[in-house]
Amino acid sequence: GQQVMQIPQYQHVQEGEDFTTYCNSSTTLSNIQWYKQRPGGHPVFLIQLVKSGEVKKQKRLTFQFGEAKKNSSLHITATQTTDVGTYFCAGVTGNNNDMRFGAGTRLTVKP
Amino acid sequence: EPEVTQTPSHQVTQMGQEVILRCVPISNHLYFYWYRQILGQKVEFLVSFYNNEISEKSEIFDDQFSVERPDGSNFTLKIRSTKLEDSAMYFCASSIFGTGEKVAKNIQYFGAGTRLSVL
Repeated sequence: GQQVMQIPQYQHVQEGEDFTTYCNSSTTLSNIQWYKQRPGGHPVFLIQLVKSGEVKKQKRLTFQFGEAKKNSSLHITATQTTDVGTYFCAGVTGNNNDMRFGAGTRLTVKP
Repeated sequence: EPEVTQTPSHQVTQMGQEVILRCVPISNHLYFYWYRQILGQKVEFLVSFYNNEISEKSEIFDDQFSVERPDGSNFTLKIRSTKLEDSAMYFCASSIFGTGEKVAKNIQYFGAGTRLSVL
């Protein structure tokens, strides 16, 4: 079945440093979605990427979808303490909306 | 802003007991989902539901699990005979669309979750 791999599992950065998390799918995706989960919270939708090679930005966050629609990345520029949490990618295949989440990258930011 | 609500926020039960986790999806959404997250691990898909039937389920969703939409607003997950390893956070989610042609609007919105503790 479909698998979504995400690395790294943990990332600890100094405030102001950049952060990147990567996702790879074993199958071609129809779209990929990114979620953020704060400690003790629930996944909150960040963005959806649909087109091959798509790049979207949200302030300091840049999301990319690979040309083959099998990989994606999230890059945060100049991290802040408010960026702390676990970032999950979730891949969608086929005609249904069943998402398969990556394992998540837990980001901690040292002030 | 409309949101998915889940009750209870925490459920404690004895091993072997039945539990029902309740969710009220966003009112105009048509697709409903249950996910599980064991403490410190990733979010795992359990089941999706559309038009009063299961559209897909994962290998985790075995015979001890069932889902139901008993009325126009609630969406429930039942675990018939709980096991210790069922202890996890259970998230409900809903979306307006679920099919590929509506992919731009198939964003899933998650509830706050129910923490199930099986003793």
